[in-house]
Amino acid sequence: QSALTQPASVSGSPGQSITISCTGSSSDVGGYDYVSWYQQHPGKAPKLMIYDVNSRPSGVSNRFSGSKSGNTASLTISGLQAEDEADYYCSSYTGSSTLVFGGGTNLTVL
Amino acid sequence: QLQLQESGPGLVKPSETLSLSCSISGASITSSPYYWAWIRQPPGKGLEWIGSVYYTGSTDYNPSLKSRVAISLDTSKKQFSLRLSSVAAADTALYYCARAVRQFYPGGFDPWGQGTLVTVSS
Repeated sequence: QSALTQPASVSGSPGQSITISCTGSSSDVGGYDYVSWYQQHPGKAPKLMIYDVNSRPSGVSNRFSGSKSGNTASLTISGLQAEDEADYYCSSYTGSSTLVFGGGTNLTVL
Repeated sequence: QLQLQESGPGLVKPSETLSLSCSISGASITSSPYYWAWIRQPPGKGLEWIGSVYYTGSTDYNPSLKSRVAISLDTSKKQFSLRLSSVAAADTALYYCARAVRQFYPGGFDPWGQGTLVTVSS
């Protein structure tokens, strides 16, 4: 199975909105609404931010939102804050009853 | 509150078998229909799903690792385990265990353990 495709890096200024894309195929992202997004700060375990394409676990800020169109899922962070600077990973369930992650995107808050 | 903790040797020799356990507190591993997973992260690299085990004991594995991996539940010890055979340097990674965020759901995982670093070296 091939990893999902994410941009290596994105950046934004405090208060702005940014979007991170996650592109797969009809066998994963496009075929199932089981897309998740994780935030990982250096030296820390990943933290689930979004699941089921656009659901937030309790305690996750509503500045984080998810969406999907065709084979591409997106994570949008609005009102960017310094603490949002981290690596972000998407994942998707696949038709082979497996999971696949994206390569990760490093977010820099300017 | 559910907590997970990985444990196992930090150093494994090439060609040997890596064995890790994930101890669970705050929940039963078999009473509710959750998926439990192992995920790894090589130093400086991204996340890789290794495999998942359902509360019934059924498993799914990453095709690239399937021939070498086994995940199992140990209900008596309230833990689940990972075995990865014939390891090589490329298996050096931080290994995490995690539980699915909701029942019947093979996708997103929350919570995660803190991770345990396994180095493959002679």
